[in-house]
Amino acid sequence: ETGVTQTPRHLVMGMTNKKSLKCEQHLGHNAMYWYKQSAKKPLELMFVYNFKEQTENNSVPSRFSPECPNSSHLFLHLHTLQPEDSALYLCASSQEILAGSSTDTQYFGPGTRLTVL
Amino acid sequence: GQNIDQPTEMTATEGAIVQINCTYQTSGFNGLFWYQQHAGEAPTFLSYNVLDGLEEKGRFSSFLSRSKGYSYLLLKELQMKDSASYLCAVATDYKLSFGAGTTVTVRA
Repeated sequence: ETGVTQTPRHLVMGMTNKKSLKCEQHLGHNAMYWYKQSAKKPLELMFVYNFKEQTENNSVPSRFSPECPNSSHLFLHLHTLQPEDSALYLCASSQEILAGSSTDTQYFGPGTRLTVL
Repeated sequence: GQNIDQPTEMTATEGAIVQINCTYQTSGFNGLFWYQQHAGEAPTFLSYNVLDGLEEKGRFSSFLSRSKGYSYLLLKELQMKDSASYLCAVATDYKLSFGAGTTVTVRA
């Protein structure tokens, strides 16, 4: 248990559906992240939020839309996805960004396994 | 872009030692992290190095040489539960850039 929770844990959706992934961190951290993990590939950073403000959008297609209402909650809204978007979506949080110290350590949630049919 | 390389797979015997190497070429450097990820689970933090040298934490140690762009994770007294993927990640700017991971299989 890392203090970062994600729901749902598994999601199957059609290409025309709209769904949302939810992440909540109970660590009092200031930064939150979305990553995509596909089989045999490195984790890909998607979005970064620091104090609720988006600081990074790593060239992610617009069919993925993040929302960060406060420092503890992060959402990823999904619409008109493609089968190649099937992957494990991981949320993470850290105390700081760019502190150059262990407070930059990111703690991950268990992930949402997404399948797009 | 960032380039982080680590071996794809390693196999070792229970009780043995395994060293997982990671080399990196990145624009900027704010520290290097090692994570462990069991199949179907979240990555969990193992170690952080920002200065050159060895950091020891129980059975796990991590080494960093910034001038060589090189790190290793040393796993001692291997146990079956250490079978997992080990991810090397380098912090640059606002990002963690990950290697593809090294799958370690521990055999009895």
